[in-house]
Amino acid sequence: DQQVKQNSPSLSVQEGRISILNCDYTNSMFDYFLWYKKYPAEGPTFLISISSIKDKNEDGRFTVFLNKSAKHLSLHIVPSQPGDSAVYFCAGYLGGFKTIFGAGTRLFVKA
Amino acid sequence: DVKVTQSSRYLVKRTGEKVFLECVQDMDHENMFWYRQDPGLGLRLIYFSYDVKMKEKGDIPEGYSVSREKKERFSLILESASTNQTSMYLCASSFTNRETGELFFGEGSRLTVL
Repeated sequence: DQQVKQNSPSLSVQEGRISILNCDYTNSMFDYFLWYKKYPAEGPTFLISISSIKDKNEDGRFTVFLNKSAKHLSLHIVPSQPGDSAVYFCAGYLGGFKTIFGAGTRLFVKA
Repeated sequence: DVKVTQSSRYLVKRTGEKVFLECVQDMDHENMFWYRQDPGLGLRLIYFSYDVKMKEKGDIPEGYSVSREKKERFSLILESASTNQTSMYLCASSFTNRETGELFFGEGSRLTVL
């Protein structure tokens, strides 16, 4: 049972435009949702998080929106830059030691 | 600069060989984790440890064991490697009291089993 789903394996965006990465979840018990970014041959790095009681969290070019009724969250990157090209993992944190990851979305930002 | 270091970036082993993957963190984190990353499956938890000598099974522990003799070091052991264990292995660590559960990852160890 995939509790966190990223249905788009890849996304291609022009430099300067907005990138929107989507994530759906089924478990209402997540305390936090996190986005991690992963470059090839490197480990994932934390990008941004949002509490399950919030609707939005913003950090520079990155904004995460949470729609609890739809069990959906999205990561917006504005403006997109070629250096943003990476795999983005959505994750739900249940507390304790349990983090559930989505399958990832590969973002290509074209110059 | 905080760091999680994995001992081997790339390994090639033969079926049946014993494999050791080591991970060291310098952040004094209580918790350490081993994940494997496979295309289309995301990151799946193999084992984790919340204290020295303590370990708990994750979602896919079969075929693996772990060892944590010191707080900063967490080892993953494949007793008899099989081809279906070809994967990217990621070590991570975290603070127990971190509200968001943020994980700090190493650079990964890509294992190929022939």
